[in-house]
Amino acid sequence: NAGVTQTPKFQVLKTGQSMTLQCAQDMNHNSMYWYRQDPGMGLRLIYYSASEGTTDKGEVPNGYNVSRLNKREFSLRLESAAPSQTSVYFCASSERGQGAYEQYFGPGTRLTVT
Amino acid sequence: AQSVTQLGSHVSVSEGALVLLRCNYSSSVPPYLFWYVQYPNQGLQLLLKYTTGATLVKGINGFEAEFKKSETSFHLTKPSAHMSDAAEYFCAVSDLWTSYGKLTFGQGTILTVHP
Repeated sequence: NAGVTQTPKFQVLKTGQSMTLQCAQDMNHNSMYWYRQDPGMGLRLIYYSASEGTTDKGEVPNGYNVSRLNKREFSLRLESAAPSQTSVYFCASSERGQGAYEQYFGPGTRLTVT
Repeated sequence: AQSVTQLGSHVSVSEGALVLLRCNYSSSVPPYLFWYVQYPNQGLQLLLKYTTGATLVKGINGFEAEFKKSETSFHLTKPSAHMSDAAEYFCAVSDLWTSYGKLTFGQGTILTVHP
């Protein structure tokens, strides 16, 4: 049981390049999330998927797109990377249990845009 | 809209001393409250959560937190700090009525433990 996995672990892009961050979970969770973490700002929600086939914007969606490929996988795409997108990206998944959603996080992708 | 404020971006304690990390939240509906810990270069791990019921909740590694509705607070405590507690801690809130578990995080508090 690997939990939530993310690839790649590290990535350096030039401004204007595109890339896709991959996330997969093996816990049969319905909901998945993408966050970015910046120093002093905590984690901010980019997009989430309440269930397979649905996606919605979070707090900071500009410059990103997502795809919920199936129940296991939720990818995040940067179409034209900008230096402001330099950050650590975390994927998480959850399922409603005991009256609350407990989110399980992946190890993160550290992205630098030059 | 919900928000979380963590008082103190850095907290430093001596090994064996009390750990107190402060969290205040704003929510127009009954909240779910969480504390997560992040060790260097790792993802976030759940320490404890409050949903309903008992307002004093116990978590892993000897941490506990008390939900105080009148003070809109959810402070994290540990009676005796250990070197291994050095990490960044995040308080988060989720809307009880949201079906999708979206979290709003505080800014984080870095805990340093001195020998």
